[in-house]
Amino acid sequence: NAGVTQTPKFQVLKTGQSMTLQCAQDMNHEYMSWYRQDPGMGLRLIHYSVGAGITDQGEVPNGYNVSRSTTEDFPLRLLSAAPSQTSVYFCASSYRTSGGGGYTFGSGTRLTVV
Amino acid sequence: SQQGEEDPQALSIQEGENATMNCSYKTSINNLQWYRQNSGRGLVHLILIRSNEREKHSGRLRVTLDTSKKSSSLLITASRAADTASYFCATDAQLTGGGNKLTFGTGTQLKVEL
Repeated sequence: NAGVTQTPKFQVLKTGQSMTLQCAQDMNHEYMSWYRQDPGMGLRLIHYSVGAGITDQGEVPNGYNVSRSTTEDFPLRLLSAAPSQTSVYFCASSYRTSGGGGYTFGSGTRLTVV
Repeated sequence: SQQGEEDPQALSIQEGENATMNCSYKTSINNLQWYRQNSGRGLVHLILIRSNEREKHSGRLRVTLDTSKKSSSLLITASRAADTASYFCATDAQLTGGGNKLTFGTGTQLKVEL
């Protein structure tokens, strides 16, 4: 049971380049989300999905796109990378229950934009 | 905006001592969760306390929740060097469109010295 798998683990981009951060889970979780973690800022929600075909914006969505064509995958696309997007990105998933539940996090993608 | 704010920001104790971290939040919640993050790693779910619960235990962890004060505390008893990590509280609130949103605080850095 792999849990939440994120690829790549590290990436360096030049300003203006685009890329996709991959996230896959094998727990049949309905809910998936992307966070970014910056020093002193905690984790901030970028986008989330409550099920296949449904996505919505979080706190800091600008510059990022997502799609959810399957239950398992939730890729995050950077359209035109900027230095302000240098961060560590985490994907997380959970069951969609009325009382909520614990989230399972991936190991993160460390992105540097130069 | 940050929903949860942890206090203290940093805590250094000796092995065998207890560690207490506090979290305050602003809005109504379904539940409150605590996570641990080791340096350079993803977040690991520790414990969840629902809004109608006041106290919960899991091994050496004890969590309290006071919804009237919008605050929670995490107590780690008989700390070990392996407990050295950052600890985050996260509040889980229902979204109008379905699903839940997990909002993180900025974390407490715990160092347990031998």
